[in-house]
Amino acid sequence: AQKITQTQPGMFVQEKEAVTLDCTYDTSDPSYGLFWYKQPSSGEMIFLIYQGSYDQQNATEGRYSLNFQKARKSANLVISASQLGDSAMYFCAILTSGTYKYIFGTGTRLKVLA
Amino acid sequence: NAGVTQTPKFRILKIGQSMTLQCAQDMNHNYMYWYRQDPGMGLKLIYYSVGAGITDKGEVPNGYNVSRSTTEDFPLRLELAAPSQTSVYFCATRGQINQPQHFGDGTRLSIL
Repeated sequence: AQKITQTQPGMFVQEKEAVTLDCTYDTSDPSYGLFWYKQPSSGEMIFLIYQGSYDQQNATEGRYSLNFQKARKSANLVISASQLGDSAMYFCAILTSGTYKYIFGTGTRLKVLA
Repeated sequence: NAGVTQTPKFRILKIGQSMTLQCAQDMNHNYMYWYRQDPGMGLKLIYYSVGAGITDKGEVPNGYNVSRSTTEDFPLRLELAAPSQTSVYFCATRGQINQPQHFGDGTRLSIL
C-alpha cells in the first residue's frame, strides 16, 4: 500500500527566505507521480508541482522546486523567496500506476512572517 | 471554462436527513473523486470513478453512495446524515496519470 508522510505540522519562515517542506513516501510500484498542493485559508486546493518517478531532473515551477531523492523516497518542496501569500497548508500526494487513488499526507501549515 | 463545479457551497442538515452533493465537470476527464476534509486534517477519499458506470470505494465510504451515469456528473449521496459527517467535501477530476487533479471549490456541510 502507498503511504505519504509529512512530519512537520507547522513551519515558520521569514519573508524573502527559502523554506523546505518535507515529504516522504512509501510504495512498491516503480511507476508513480508525486504532487504538491497548496490550500490557503480560503479553502481551495491549488496544484503547485509534479514529479514523476522516472523524471531525470527535479521539477521546478517558478519559485517552487522539488528536491526529489528517489533512493530515500523523499520529495521535499522548496519555496524560494517566500512571500506573505505563501502562508497556507501544503499537501503532498502520491499516485501510483497500479491504482487510481491518490494518497494525501496530513499537511504542513506554513506561516510567512513579515 | 468552469472546470469542476460543486453545489451547494454551504449546507446545514439535521441528523437523519438526506441530501445529494452535486459535482459537474466540463473537462471530459474520465477520473472523478470525492474527498472529505475534516478541520485541520488532510483529504480522505470517499469514492472514486474511472468512467461512466464505474465507481469504487475509497478509504471512508460508509454512510455515502455515488453514481456515475455520465462523464460529466458524479453526485455524492448522504442517506442518513450523522454529526460525524460534518466536513468539507471536495470533488476532483483528472486526465492522464502525470496530470494533477482539478478540484472544485468544496461544499461545507454541517450536521446538527
